[in-house]
Amino acid sequence: GGIITQTPKFLIGQEGQKLTLKCQQNFNHDTMYWYRQDSGKGLRLIYYSITENDLQKGDLSEGYDASREKKSSFSLTVTSAQKNEMAVFLCASSIRGSAETLYFGSGTRLTVL
Amino acid sequence: GDSVTQTEGLVTLTEGLPVMLNCTYQTIYSNPFLFWYVQHLNESPRLLLKSFTDNKRTEHQGFHATLHKSSSSFHLQKSSAQLSDSALYYCALRGSALGRLHFGAGTQLIVIP
Repeated sequence: GGIITQTPKFLIGQEGQKLTLKCQQNFNHDTMYWYRQDSGKGLRLIYYSITENDLQKGDLSEGYDASREKKSSFSLTVTSAQKNEMAVFLCASSIRGSAETLYFGSGTRLTVL
Repeated sequence: GDSVTQTEGLVTLTEGLPVMLNCTYQTIYSNPFLFWYVQHLNESPRLLLKSFTDNKRTEHQGFHATLHKSSSSFHLQKSSAQLSDSALYYCALRGSALGRLHFGAGTQLIVIP
């Protein structure tokens, strides 16, 4: 089996700060995703990458940048943290294909003071 | 575009009673793929079951769901709720083979003794 590692687990930032979240997977999966999880709003897709060197915007990409440095890693940057923002960011990966399962990391919990 | 609707934000049940969590979807594609993910407290979402065959019952870990294309539904059911079923349940849709996954807002299931 494989694992998805997200760092850091907890991230505290200041308003206006640029913050980077990292994700590594050893499944050798092609596709990686970043989701934001807010209570009552489900999992909203921020960015995804179908293969290495690919980058696709999701529904919530404004205010974020992403980078697929290599097949195993996918980073997300909050370009300017919003005051009082609190959310969990989940990274996931999957084999490319129609019925593939998403495997999720344990998440990064962001708090902006 | 593709979308998923989970009508109940919160379902509270007494242990032993049947579970039914609603999921309906919209897509222009004729062969969608439907998924249920479950997220227990302080854990990551994980796949519970999936289906892409019309009118075929899919079962896993005591839960079952049947994709009904005629009504665009994929409701999650279990005959008898257990305390350990308390979790957040997400219905998800992939409309086309290489399309992205769309999650519903989630249903929080709480099972009480």
